[in-house]
Amino acid sequence: GAGVSQSPRYKVAKRGQDVALRCDPISGHVSLFWYQQALGQGPEFLTYFQNEAQLDKSGLPSDRFFAERPEGSVSTLKIQRTQQEDSAVYLCASSLAKGAYEKLFFGSGTQLSVL
Amino acid sequence: DAKTTQPNSMESNEEEPVHLPCNHSTISGTDYIHWYRQLPSQGPEYVIHGLTSNVNNRMASLAIAEDRKSSTLILHRATLRDAAVYYCMYNAGNMLTFGGGTRLMVKP
Repeated sequence: GAGVSQSPRYKVAKRGQDVALRCDPISGHVSLFWYQQALGQGPEFLTYFQNEAQLDKSGLPSDRFFAERPEGSVSTLKIQRTQQEDSAVYLCASSLAKGAYEKLFFGSGTQLSVL
Repeated sequence: DAKTTQPNSMESNEEEPVHLPCNHSTISGTDYIHWYRQLPSQGPEYVIHGLTSNVNNRMASLAIAEDRKSSTLILHRATLRDAAVYYCMYNAGNMLTFGGGTRLMVKP
């Protein structure tokens, strides 16, 4: 079956532009996570959804970052007024179980470059 | 903060066993230990996880110390495709907190 799908695969934005990154989790997966990975670093947690509820957004670096999962399936991570420090790979993961107690399936990520 | 400590890098010869260590001294009794690996230009891939007992699957084995403050991921026969960054974590709450991981290099 299909894994976690993220689009676009690459995104180039001019500083100040808004961007929207999409995540299609595995069908039926309850949990959805967003991570940010800077070059040469491990992924950093951004936010967690359990179905449509955003239960943890403690990792969002500023109020320019916003995530939603309105119907408990597809999720969108939006970054407003992008800055150069937002350049990173944004990873989405989903899991059948609640929380991170069981296996997470990661997408290949969206590589965002802010010029 | 769910912090683990791993060596920055390790080397192995192809077809030899590899033991990747991890310290997690602040783990609590209900936190699972998770291992993921990440190949270049890909998202992390699940390897194995466990709570107290040693665990085996088709990819690897996980040996957990009796006090649970450390664990070792064992790849029984390293292949060139096993060259990756290996992350050891435990889930404190709803998230997995990645550290810097161990970069495993496999020599032919």
